[in-house]
Amino acid sequence: EVQLVQSGPDVKKPGESLRISCKGAGFSLTTYWINWVRQMPGKGLEWMGRIDPSDSDTNYSPSFQGHVTISADRSLSTAYLQWSSLRASDTAMYYCATGYFDSSAYYLLAYWGQGTLVIVSS
Amino acid sequence: DIQMTQSPSTLSAFVGDRVTITCRASQSISSWLAWYQQKPGKAPKLLIYKASTLETGVPSRFSGSGSGTEFTLTISSLQPDDFATYYCQHYNSHSYTFGQGTKLEIK
Repeated sequence: EVQLVQSGPDVKKPGESLRISCKGAGFSLTTYWINWVRQMPGKGLEWMGRIDPSDSDTNYSPSFQGHVTISADRSLSTAYLQWSSLRASDTAMYYCATGYFDSSAYYLLAYWGQGTLVIVSS
Repeated sequence: DIQMTQSPSTLSAFVGDRVTITCRASQSISSWLAWYQQKPGKAPKLLIYKASTLETGVPSRFSGSGSGTEFTLTISSLQPDDFATYYCQHYNSHSYTFGQGTKLEIK
């Protein structure tokens, strides 16, 4: 069974740095792409970007490029989402998600972590 | 960029009703569309992909249709567990775009 376990909630001040994690339980991260999705309070889902842990190749949404960094440590079966300088507008729930290729070779987000709540407030 | 627009934003219905949610793409996306269900405080759950293919384990009362720019999610007979927010999502080889969501409420 594919399970993603995310790190716990965090409260930070604007300008601080943060790294949240997403650990694959029961499977090798090298065989699954890890995506990150943001959900601001009371709002919808926004895809941020993804990483292929087998070679650390990343792909970002233009909306998030340059503000966050996605990385992975294959030996720990863990992917990360990090900020070097948080803003109040980064307050949100962050989900990691993985899945599988459908018959058309597109990647479906079928398995999701439980979410990590990040609050940025002075 | 392709935009995904859902309607309605909120839908009130009774248990047992048949309901339909619509998702429109700003340009043709063939059948590269998925539907998700999200309950409060929970992660989204994949229901349907490739516009009409039911994910394993999803009840058959859920169905999807459409291609090109217009898609629908239909729940044939609402159950109490179905009251949630539903999102459509366009996917391709390099990105994902979600609709703004439709909240399905109990009438």
